[in-house]
Amino acid sequence: DAGITQSPRHKVTETGTPVTLRCHQTENHRYMYWYRQDPGHGLRLIHYSYGVKDTDKGEVSDGYSVSRSKTEDFLLTLESATSSQTSVYFCAISQTTSGANEQYFGPGTRLTVT
Amino acid sequence: AQKITQTQPGMFVQEKEAVTLDCTYDTSDQSYGLFWYKQPSSGEMIFLIYQGSYDEQNATEGRYSLNFQKARKSANLVISASQLGDSAMYFCAMREGAGGYQKVTFGTGTKLQVIP
Repeated sequence: DAGITQSPRHKVTETGTPVTLRCHQTENHRYMYWYRQDPGHGLRLIHYSYGVKDTDKGEVSDGYSVSRSKTEDFLLTLESATSSQTSVYFCAISQTTSGANEQYFGPGTRLTVT
Repeated sequence: AQKITQTQPGMFVQEKEAVTLDCTYDTSDQSYGLFWYKQPSSGEMIFLIYQGSYDEQNATEGRYSLNFQKARKSANLVISASQLGDSAMYFCAMREGAGGYQKVTFGTGTKLQVIP
């Protein structure tokens, strides 16, 4: 258990509204990631963070922003949600930068944009 | 070109039999890592096994082994003695580069169903 929680776990929102998803970790990991999972696409990286206030874009970052003001929290914001952002969102952490550097995932947030 | 290719959208295996899930990858990096994750119907992503590009022996973790064929760029997952609890989606993933941020790319997954 890598001590990762996500909130909310489920959310239904309307097109055009802002949405913020929270990822919280308790073990002081440096690297944090946001992915989305859609059928037929596996997991795709939205944004990642390599430290407080240090973030960068992944392959599907359009329409998303992130912030990391504390080591333990990584926020994903949809400024104006669209139906194409209906997905399951996973937060992940990685524990080292050497060796396996496997990622551990939170439980996921199911977001529906109507 | 796809970085990670899983050509089997779905597979069936009889309980107690072994099964191989295919994964091929594409990279020009010399240093990379290959992972398998399991996603049961409950939705969580569970790390199973890792193989580094410089590892000479195939990785094993309990009933899981990774059949790493570097020249063929394949990293197949072998599950021995399948159990009903092995029914899940399985994702192959690749980490490229060394040091600092290392990009991880996931395949589209294989749905494994274990038949009693």
